[in-house]
Amino acid sequence: QKEVEQDPGPLSVPEGAIVSLNCTYSNSAFQYFMWYRQYSRKGPELLMYTYSSGNKEDGRFTAQVDKSSKYISLFIRDSQPSDSATYLCAMKGESGGGADGLTFGKGTHLIIQP
Amino acid sequence: DAGVTQSPTHLIKTRGQQVTLRCSPKSGHDTVSWYQQALGQGPQFIFQYYEEEERQRGNFPDRFSGHQFPNYSSELNVNALLLGDSALYLCASSLVPGQGYGYTFGSGTRLTVV
Repeated sequence: QKEVEQDPGPLSVPEGAIVSLNCTYSNSAFQYFMWYRQYSRKGPELLMYTYSSGNKEDGRFTAQVDKSSKYISLFIRDSQPSDSATYLCAMKGESGGGADGLTFGKGTHLIIQP
Repeated sequence: DAGVTQSPTHLIKTRGQQVTLRCSPKSGHDTVSWYQQALGQGPQFIFQYYEEEERQRGNFPDRFSGHQFPNYSSELNVNALLLGDSALYLCASSLVPGQGYGYTFGSGTRLTVV
């Protein structure tokens, strides 16, 4: 079992739909949870981060972390064709414990149809 | 404000050769991490440099080595290249090591080993 599981897709939805992306993980030491967006031939770009459990909202994006279930989600409202990209979840433990590298999921390829 | 700069953009090497990739961190950042992203996979943590020392290392063989210079820029060296080393190599910088967020990624160097 990989530490972070993420469905690679592709996930295709019509413009304006609500998109739900998620990851599961097995390492209970993870405390920081991030979502990155990666366009083709580009590096990952940080979208959202959450520390420990809870929800966080930023514009059209909402990140949720449920540590009891080891499950994180990213919701995109009013999806746009420009949201078409690969979405990567990433996580890490507390610093000082030799856990400063990010552990990524495989990424979900999202396609928003105009 | 320049972000993370990586060079070269693309590189083709022959199996058994050695390669050096370069990274300049975002202005104000002093910590550099390197990641390997194989096609269709999420990035995998190679190592992190801070104060010119390797601070943490992922599950990569000793063929992968690095260096950080006094101006915080960094190099990734890979010896005895294998076909499986073909990937996008990403550099990420941050303000301090261990920060759970705030990693800025470069666009990467695409290495092809033939």
